[in-house]
Amino acid sequence: NAGVTQTPKFQVLKTGQSMTLQCAQDMNHEYMSWYRQDPGMGLRLIHYSVGAGITDQGEVPNGYNVSRSTTEDFPLRLLSAAPSQTSVYFCASIPDRDSDTQYFGPGTRLTVL
Amino acid sequence: EDQVTQSPEALRLQEGESSSLNCSYTVSGLRGLFWYRQDPGKGPEFLFTLYSAGEEKEKERLKATLTKKESFLHITAPKPEDSATYLCAVQGVNDMRFGAGTRLTVKP
Repeated sequence: NAGVTQTPKFQVLKTGQSMTLQCAQDMNHEYMSWYRQDPGMGLRLIHYSVGAGITDQGEVPNGYNVSRSTTEDFPLRLLSAAPSQTSVYFCASIPDRDSDTQYFGPGTRLTVL
Repeated sequence: EDQVTQSPEALRLQEGESSSLNCSYTVSGLRGLFWYRQDPGKGPEFLFTLYSAGEEKEKERLKATLTKKESFLHITAPKPEDSATYLCAVQGVNDMRFGAGTRLTVKP
């Protein structure tokens, strides 16, 4: 198993551009989440999904959209990038509601100029 | 509001010098406290989950303990390969909150 994979690893955008961060997992996990990690702050939840077709907002959802059309994929869309969205983004998955182990991807480092 | 505070922010140890990292929390209805290890440029890696005060878990040189207000990650006789950032997170009724982490450096 590849686990949780994220692409790209690095990305530079200009203010106002849009893009999609990709996340995929091959473990048939029900739960998937997106976090951002900023210096001096803990990981903050952006959006999460408890299964295909179901998504919900986390702590910092503004400026981001998600969809979950398949169990494997959970892309994060930046609608109109802003410098405040410069961060490292992590995707994570959990097998099911009875599991407490969260598996993280390697991250995407995004810079918005 | 749920909060998680980790201390110290950074810790430098000599190889073999045991110490503890602290995670203080306030949460409505604790459902679990988690410890993760994060190496530079990588995603967090799960270490432990603790569910109730008094619970302890061990893995190699690491031991996690939990009280009603805080958790400790004890590192016994650390080695340079234990150098990493250690993250604490709490799952409450509403959401999961992460601390900012403790950056541990173990010198040979």
